[in-house]
Amino acid sequence: NAGVTQTPKFQVLKTGQSMTLQCAQDMNHNSMYWYRQDPGMGLRLIYYSASEGTTDKGEVPNGYNVSRLNKREFSLRLESAAPSQTSVYFCASSELYSHNEQFFGPGTRLTVL
Amino acid sequence: AQSVTQLDSHVSVSEGTPVLLRCNYSSSYSPSLFWYVQHPNKGLQLLLKYTSAATLVKGINGFEAEFKKSETSFHLTKPSAHMSDAAEYFCVVSVGGSQGNLIFGKGTKLSVKP
Repeated sequence: NAGVTQTPKFQVLKTGQSMTLQCAQDMNHNSMYWYRQDPGMGLRLIYYSASEGTTDKGEVPNGYNVSRLNKREFSLRLESAAPSQTSVYFCASSELYSHNEQFFGPGTRLTVL
Repeated sequence: AQSVTQLDSHVSVSEGTPVLLRCNYSSSYSPSLFWYVQHPNKGLQLLLKYTSAATLVKGINGFEAEFKKSETSFHLTKPSAHMSDAAEYFCVVSVGGSQGNLIFGKGTKLSVKP
């Protein structure tokens, strides 16, 4: 039982390049989330998917797109990377209701030069 | 709207002394509250959660937190710090409803001196 997995663990991009961060969970959770973590800012929600087939914007969606490929997988795409997107990205999953904890992946450390 | 404020960005304690990490929240209804811990270069792990049951919540590794509605606080405590407790701690409030979105505090970095 791997929980939430993310690939890659590290990535360096040049400004303007694109990439997709992958996330998968094996806990049969309905909801999945993408966050970014910046020093002194806590975690901020980029996009979430409450259930398969739906996605919604979070607090900081600009410059990102997401795809809920199936119940297990939720990917985050940067179409044209900018230095302001240098961050650590976390994927999480949970059951549908607010009192349920979110389970986090190990993170992807992205640097945009 | 929901929000959460962690009152200290950095707390330093000596090993064996008590730990207190302070958190205040704002919510228009009875919230769900969480504390998560993040060790260096790791993901986040749930320490404990409050979901309108007992106001004193016990978590892993000897941590506990008390929900005080009158003070809108959810402070995290531990009687005796261990070196392995050095990490960043996040107080989190749930947005509510079925979507389960969370609002994170900015984090408190706990240092433990030998």
